[in-house]
Amino acid sequence: DTGVSQDPRHKITKRGQNVTFRCDPISEHNRLYWYRQTLGQGPEFLTYFQNEAQLEKSRLLSDRFSAERPKGSFSTLEIQRTEQGDSAMYLCASSKGHLAKNIQYFGAGTRLSVL
Amino acid sequence: TQLLEQSPQFLSIQEGENLTVYCNSSSVFSSLQWYRQEPGEGPVLLVTVVTGGEVKKLKRLTFQFGDARKDSSLHITAAQPGDTGLYLCAGVRNYGGSQGNLIFGKGTKLSVKP
Repeated sequence: DTGVSQDPRHKITKRGQNVTFRCDPISEHNRLYWYRQTLGQGPEFLTYFQNEAQLEKSRLLSDRFSAERPKGSFSTLEIQRTEQGDSAMYLCASSKGHLAKNIQYFGAGTRLSVL
Repeated sequence: TQLLEQSPQFLSIQEGENLTVYCNSSSVFSSLQWYRQEPGEGPVLLVTVVTGGEVKKLKRLTFQFGDARKDSSLHITAAQPGDTGLYLCAGVRNYGGSQGNLIFGKGTKLSVKP
């Protein structure tokens, strides 16, 4: 069990640029979640995949954000035309098993700084 | 409005003291998870509680889920400097449309001084 892996760990970009983050979940986990965490806050849900299907999106996920999980394994989160307000820690989590219990394991996150 | 209220937000104590962190909501959760997060890292799972009234112990940490599954507490006995970190509670909402995403509290930042 190698855990949830996220890449890169840190990303500094200029306003208006596009960025893409990658998440590799725990191998047998069929569910994958993206969260965003700003300073002093708990993580907030962005979007959810079951296998390759994107089943839920938060209203926090503006049109500039897109996420994919093409083969039901790794996932990417892309932010287009970044804004300073996008600066945050982006966390990926994966899980399996009963949805009511839904124990989620998190990666180390990607910290985005938009200058 | 925060769906899960955690208190206190900040706690600074001496090594050896006991402490309790609370996580409260007006909503019912099908399960509740406690995480600890270090600066610059992702949350690390400590425990999951599922049944109302459930108590789980993890060494010096005791977790309790309220009878109505709306609240939870974390009690640390004889805190050590290694317990320093951000403690987050997170609930899985209990309704048919939920896809299991976690609702987090803002966290309790604990500092244990030697």
